[in-house]
Amino acid sequence: GAVVSQHPSWVICKSGTSVKIECRSLDFQATTMFWYRQFPKQSLMLMATSNEGSKATYEQGVEKDKFLINHASLTLSTLTVTSAHPEDSSFYICSVARNDGSPLHFGNGTRLTVT
Amino acid sequence: AQTVTQSQPEMSVQEAETVTLSCTYDTSESDYYLFWYKQPPSRQMILVIRQEAYKQQNATENRFSVNFQKAAKSFSLKISDSQLGDAAMYFCAYRSGDFGNEKLTFGTGTRLTIIP
Repeated sequence: GAVVSQHPSWVICKSGTSVKIECRSLDFQATTMFWYRQFPKQSLMLMATSNEGSKATYEQGVEKDKFLINHASLTLSTLTVTSAHPEDSSFYICSVARNDGSPLHFGNGTRLTVT
Repeated sequence: AQTVTQSQPEMSVQEAETVTLSCTYDTSESDYYLFWYKQPPSRQMILVIRQEAYKQQNATENRFSVNFQKAAKSFSLKISDSQLGDAAMYFCAYRSGDFGNEKLTFGTGTRLTIIP
């Protein structure tokens, strides 16, 4: 069964509104989760590393005030796209890491469309 | 910083034939992991195969095998007896062996088409 649950799978929102995406680890407690963004026909680009109980670590060029990450528990990380604009339309996918070298587990992704 | 390069944006293969996808990477680390992921149109990321850098033996998973050349920093994927269901985007990915640094760095991907 699924190890990572990501919701919603798709969302359409109006420009200027905020959207929250949830990523849940179902099988184990995850101190670390990763948020990726994938534009059409492109690769996955790491946006940020979500750390339970502390601030997220953002990759260079990612606006931390625009992409708010909260990792308040060992099983849930949320990504909030604030004041969304059409250029934020993309596919967002989370992944969860065990600290044992095993492969990351990915959520099914969220397709965000900002109109 | 680590980089992963996939030089083949697109590849095609006849059904039942064999195809090899190329991947090179750059790192100064000695302990790391390499992966191939498949992303079908559903966009779900599916792990195909994994290789630990400290292992000399090439990983195999049924019809999928890798040619891991550590000195050359090369990690190619061979798909034997290609099937229609193999059609997808394939991403090569690198992960540090450092504890607490499990993020993946992906290559740009190769779109594989299977010709019936």
